Amino acid sequence: AQSVTQPDIHITVSEGASLELRCNYSYGATPYLFWYVQSPGQGLQLLLKYFSGDTLVQGIKGFEAEFKRSQSSFNLRKPSVHWSDAAEYFCAVAPLDQGGKLIFGQGTELSVKP
Amino acid sequence: GAGVSQSPSNKVTEKGKDVELRCDPISGHTALYWYRQSLGQGLEFLIYFQGNSAPDKSGLPSDRFSAERTGGSVSTLTIQRTQQEDSAVYLCASSSQTGAGGYTFGSGTRLTVV
Repeated sequence: AQSVTQPDIHITVSEGASLELRCNYSYGATPYLFWYVQSPGQGLQLLLKYFSGDTLVQGIKGFEAEFKRSQSSFNLRKPSVHWSDAAEYFCAVAPLDQGGKLIFGQGTELSVKP
Repeated sequence: GAGVSQSPSNKVTEKGKDVELRCDPISGHTALYWYRQSLGQGLEFLIYFQGNSAPDKSGLPSDRFSAERTGGSVSTLTIQRTQQEDSAVYLCASSSQTGAGGYTFGSGTRLTVV
């Protein structure tokens, strides 16, 4: 079945530590890939996106993500987390044959310890 | 406009009443999407418009839900005979191209059915 999986519902990291949020998808052809962030009471903000080309994508706020076709993964990383990064993170895919609609993972809530 | 505008930002309604939620996309964006975000269900696709046409309505939960878009711009999502399970945040997004252009989300309408 077509799906987007974020295995970690909640992650806690210490400020200054590195971060990796996992995302796996299951689609026949590589879809467009996105990471969004949502702070409490706020809308969704795009962190980065992958359509084609270089498999390491740089985004805003110091985030990057790496597309690995062999693993059907698009994991989000940040070398050093700041307290302001505490939020919910959503991986999303836009299958190429579905009119551009986004299919979201369940989200990963990130908490940052001082 | 500069961003995607949704109104009202909050709506409390009595069970059984009809509600209308409005989305004003970024000027020139041809694609418009509606999503619902609720506890336990994550972010669900509802419907998408390309211009004034809705090629994909597959996410509408029941026939109580309908949407229209006029002039290739403003869209209205209508929920008839609201039920408590309709309580959620309804998000709208627009895009200049289906998928490839990326998406800009509004801040959402929080609907509470009492």
